[in-house]
Amino acid sequence: AQSVTQLGSHVSVSEGALVLLRCNYSSSVPPYLFWYVQYPNQGLQLLLKYTSAATLVKGINGFEAEFKKSETSFHLTKPSAHMSDAAEYFCAVSEDTYGGATNKLIFGTGTLLAVQP
Amino acid sequence: NAGVTQTPKFQVLKTGQSMTLQCAQDMNHNSMYWYRQDPGMGLRLIYYSASEGTTDKGEVPNGYNVSRLNKREFSLRLESAAPSQTSVYFCASSSDGWTSGDRVNEQFFGPGTRLTVL
Repeated sequence: AQSVTQLGSHVSVSEGALVLLRCNYSSSVPPYLFWYVQYPNQGLQLLLKYTSAATLVKGINGFEAEFKKSETSFHLTKPSAHMSDAAEYFCAVSEDTYGGATNKLIFGTGTLLAVQP
Repeated sequence: NAGVTQTPKFQVLKTGQSMTLQCAQDMNHNSMYWYRQDPGMGLRLIYYSASEGTTDKGEVPNGYNVSRLNKREFSLRLESAAPSQTSVYFCASSSDGWTSGDRVNEQFFGPGTRLTVL
């Protein structure tokens, strides 16, 4: 069965520092991978999506993620954190069946990012 | 475009009461989803609808029923609410691969419903 593991339920960085949020996945077929962000009291919105076109994926707000098949990882990074980046971040993998990837997503448990001034 | 809308935003129920959470999307999406979000557990899929007239159980369907009324609307019903159903509920929608050319597509989320069952 597919799964997603996000290491670190809480991450704190200083404003201007590198942001690194970790995600490892398991999938028996080539995966579709997503990062979503949730600001307080809001729904989730897409940051970026990997669909095998390129291993380095650029998203909104300066975030990017690199797909590493050998490490089954899809870590999210941003070179310089901003106060407005404080939110909860979710990694997700498409659920796969014998026919391949489906539209159903399996979410990780989330990482709450705090940005200190 | 309003995107995905959900009503109500907040609800308090007593154990045993019933209620229906409403969801509508105006993006002409075929697929719609209901999730619940609990602290430390991420989002878990309750039910899924690939198209009008079809529904499928997700990871945590017990205690819930759904109706895909038409292409726009997908409702979630709690027949006899229990304290374990206290959660934040999100509805989402996405286009399917046949219309977009991409096999798995972005899901668009509503603002959520905060439900407390006493």
